[in-house]
This record gives sequence, C-alpha cells and structure tokens, in this order.
Amino acid sequence: KAGVTQTPRYLIKTRGQQVTLSCSPISGHRSVSWYQQTPGQGLQFLFEYFSETQRNKGNFPGRFSGRQFSNSRSEMNVSTLELGDSALYLCASSPDRVEYNEQFFGPGTRLTVL
Amino acid sequence: KQEVTQIPAALSVPEGENLVLNCSFTDSAIYNLQWFRQDPGKGLTSLLLIQSSQREQTSGRLNASLDKSSGRSTLYIAASQPGDSATYLCASTGANSKLTFGKGITLSVRP
Repeated sequence: KAGVTQTPRYLIKTRGQQVTLSCSPISGHRSVSWYQQTPGQGLQFLFEYFSETQRNKGNFPGRFSGRQFSNSRSEMNVSTLELGDSALYLCASSPDRVEYNEQFFGPGTRLTVL
Repeated sequence: KQEVTQIPAALSVPEGENLVLNCSFTDSAIYNLQWFRQDPGKGLTSLLLIQSSQREQTSGRLNASLDKSSGRSTLYIAASQPGDSATYLCASTGANSKLTFGKGITLSVRP
C-alpha cells in the first residue's frame, strides 16, 4: 500500500500571499489530521477531518483552514501568510477515528515565507 | 490541557547499549500513546501504539510500556545500532482526538 503523500514537498512564498497544501491519505483511511512543526514550538495540532467533516481544531488563527473531499484527500489553506508560518506541515492519516487507531504521517511540506 | 514531556532532550550512547527513553504526560485520560521516529528533515515514522487498556507493545528490538496512573511511558531499545540515531517523539491522543507531542529526544548511537 502506498503511504501518505503530500504535495508540494517544498514551497517558498512571500508575506501576504496564500498557499494550499495537499495530502493524500493511505487508501481506505478516513481520517486526516494536520500538524505544524517548528523548532521552537515542536509539533502542534491544526485540525482533523473525518468523512469530510472537521472534528477538531487546534489553537490556530482563522487564516488556517482545511477541507476533506469524498475520496478522503485533504487540503490545507493558509491565507495572508506571515513570517511565523514558516514550518514543516505534516499530515497524518488513520483508518478510522484517531482515538483507537495508529496515525501514519506523510513526508511533510516545507513552507518558507519570505 | 495535556502536557507531554521528554527528558533529556538529547542522548548519546555507544553501539550495542540497551537504552530507555522516557515520556511523561499530565492528563491520564488518554485513548492511546504512540511513539514515533523522525529523521532529519523527514516526516514521522510510527513505531508503536499502546492503547489505554494495554500495558506494553513490542516490535522487534523495541518495547514500549504505558503506566497511565503515573503518567509515564517508556520506549526500550535493545542492542542499539548507529541506524537507530534519530529523534524519538511520544504523543498522547486525548478526548479531543488530537495528538499532543513531546519535544522529542535526539538519540545518537556511536559506532
């Protein structure tokens, strides 16, 4: 089975722009979660989608949004980029509800905001 | 609010040594605890998942234990190898379905 894939792998943007990141979960997985990883804050939860519905959201501003499609693929959007948004963005998929299942991570998208 | 702590932040051991990585968490109301490995610049690789009703899980040279009452988990690595060098993170899954991560332990195994 193919693993979790994320595109693009690297992205350079300037302040004020917006960006869309994509995540394709492992085939058959219904849950997709997104995380931001920075050297200072470590890994922080952004949001989780299950069957096209956002189940939970972390403590991030409304500039961060996401969605999940009927094929479980997910996109994350960040509008009005700030320098502090530079980070590795990781998505993880799980067969079902994350409370009872292992999460499998993709390689991440490295976003640099100039 | 759940807090997950991993101490020390870095560890260096000679090849062949058995070692234990520690993880502590403040809220025992967790569904599970997961250990991950991260190589520099890469994503996370799942190592072991322990459900809240379990005490331990084993995979090859790795053994993870969970003690919810004391808020502790350990990852035991037997006969360490240079290829084990990486950052090891633990994460708990709470009632809001999110993983709360520790900052990780960067392990270096010297040949």
